[in-house]
Formats: sequence, structure tokens, C-alpha cells
Amino acid sequence: DGGITQSPKYLFRKEGQNVTLSCEQNLNHDAMYWYRQDPGQGLRLIYYSQIVNDFQKGDIAEGYSVSREKKESFPLTVTSAQKNPTAFYLCASSIVGSPIPYEQYFGPGTRLTVT
Amino acid sequence: AQKITQTQPGMFVQEKEAVTLDCTYDTSDPSYGLFWYKQPSSGEMIFLIYQGSYDQQNATEGRYSLNFQKARKSANLVISASQLGDSAMYFCAMSTSGTYKYIFGTGTRLKVLA
Repeated sequence: DGGITQSPKYLFRKEGQNVTLSCEQNLNHDAMYWYRQDPGQGLRLIYYSQIVNDFQKGDIAEGYSVSREKKESFPLTVTSAQKNPTAFYLCASSIVGSPIPYEQYFGPGTRLTVT
Repeated sequence: AQKITQTQPGMFVQEKEAVTLDCTYDTSDPSYGLFWYKQPSSGEMIFLIYQGSYDQQNATEGRYSLNFQKARKSANLVISASQLGDSAMYFCAMSTSGTYKYIFGTGTRLKVLA
């Protein structure tokens, strides 16, 4: 079955440590996205990538970094510079290039807790 | 600037009744897509329904329909015959052909009452 996997589902880290969240898709989608969601809030875009080896900052990129070395993978690193990293992180992918954008497909998310 | 507005933080509906969740949008791009997602307490985002800016008819998917009023820039979600399992957070989203960025509203929490 095609889809998006995110691992792990729950992640705990000590303050000051970098942590990398995994996102893999086998949908053959060109575009991939990372969102952050805080309790009771909507989704905020961290980074997105429409093609391999290229990515753009979203609305809240400070303290995060990404790479897109393969079409199917878009890992997100939460660095120690992110002042409040505890949140729910969602990865998504979509088709690009059509006249009208299609829906995004989402992974199950990773709940990151930093203490 | 592109914007999605959901003005209802929370809604209640009686089981088996219909409910409308409001969404207004703003964009200057003539080519855009509008989406509704459901987020249960487990956190997964479930795609419900899609409307393209050039679609002449309102989208429908089972019990979900999208009331698309282009001139008013509104894309309200209508859920018919509500079920207890419909209790969740609902997000309206938009993407344009110019950027392929997706922006989300702040969501509406729906509670279905038995």
C-alpha cells in the first residue's frame, strides 16, 4: 500500500540535543512538507520541497533544518536553537505540476517532547 | 496574501442532524484548490473533500459536501446525518498553482451529541 510513514510515533529528548524526525513516502510525489501543530492549534508550515535537492522555508523555519537527497525521503532536524520544540510534527506529500493543486497526503505524525 | 479563515472554534450537533462548518478564503490566484481535512484525537489528518477553483459544481463525497460560493470566497463543509464518529477537529485548507504551498485555517472542533 502506498503512503507516508513517520517514525517514531513518540520521541523524547533532553533539552540541548538535536533530534531528527523521519518521513518516507512511496507515493512517487514530488513535493513534501513538514508542519508543526501545537495543542488546539492549526498547522504551521516549517519547510517544503518540490523537487530533490531543493527546499524552501515555510512560516516557522527558525531552529529547524531539512534535507531532500532522495525523492521519497524528507527528514526534519529539530536543532537546539529551536526554543520550544515540544509539539506534534506532521509530514505530508503532494503531486505538483497540475493546473490545480491536489490534496496532500499526511503521515501519522510524531509527538516530540523535549524536557 | 493568501489566507484561510475558520470563525467557529467549536460546534455542537445532534446525532443524525446536518451541520455546516464555515470557511472563507482569500487569494488573487485564479487557479487554486480548497480542501477539508478531519483530525481525530489520534492526530492523523484524514482528507475529506476537494474543490477546484474551476469546478462548476459543488463537490460531494458520501455524507460530505462542499458549498462553494466563489464570488463570496467561501467553501463551507456540510456534513449530513452526523455520527458520533464525526466528533473531531476539522481544518479547511487552500493551495494555489503559483506556489503549491498549502495554508490551513485554525480549525473547528465538532462535537456530535447522542
